[in-house]
Amino acid sequence: QVQLVQSGTEVKTPGSSVTVSCQASGDTFNSHAINWVRQAPGQGLEWMARIIPLVGRTHFAQKFQDRITVTADRSTSTAYMEVRSLRSEDTALYYCARVIVGADSEGFDCWGQGTLVIVSS
Amino acid sequence: EIVMTQSPATLSLSPGERATLSCRASQSVSTGSLSWYQQKLGQAPRLLIYGASTRAAGIPARFSGSGSGTDFTLTISSLQPEDFAVYYCLQDYKLPVTFGQGTKLEIK
Repeated sequence: QVQLVQSGTEVKTPGSSVTVSCQASGDTFNSHAINWVRQAPGQGLEWMARIIPLVGRTHFAQKFQDRITVTADRSTSTAYMEVRSLRSEDTALYYCARVIVGADSEGFDCWGQGTLVIVSS
Repeated sequence: EIVMTQSPATLSLSPGERATLSCRASQSVSTGSLSWYQQKLGQAPRLLIYGASTRAAGIPARFSGSGSGTDFTLTISSLQPEDFAVYYCLQDYKLPVTFGQGTKLEIK
């Protein structure tokens, strides 16, 4: 069974950085992209970025492109997202989710359990 | 970016009733790029429908999706107690990927 397992809760101060990891099982990295999606408390889902580990290609939502870095380590099947210059509004659950790479999406068919990032002074 | 607008924001129905949730895109998207998700409190989203109308693995037949172009619909034929949750549509036809704001399906 395919799984995406994320790192644990982080508590950070404003202005600092956080790195969230997402380890995939199975053949995910050879055929899928990894997306990063966040959900602020009581709010909806917001797409942040995507990486295609096989080729290292990345895409970002414009509002995040100056503050985040996404990488993937194929040797450990682990994707990472670093968010810099944290502010209180970045307090959220951060999810990774995979989508097959191809002409037609088959949806985000597997999600990590979420990583809670709390930004507070 | 493509804006996805869901309606209604909240839908109050009773178990056994039929639910119809709408999702409208600000510009035409391919049917292959439209998917629906269910999210229960405290859980990660779960894929229900992809390609606008194909049920994901393990999803009961009471869930169905339809639509094309800019207008898409998720239908739950006969609501079960476990179906009361928040539902999101998503398009990944063009980057950035965008979600609708969600429809909360609540027990009447």
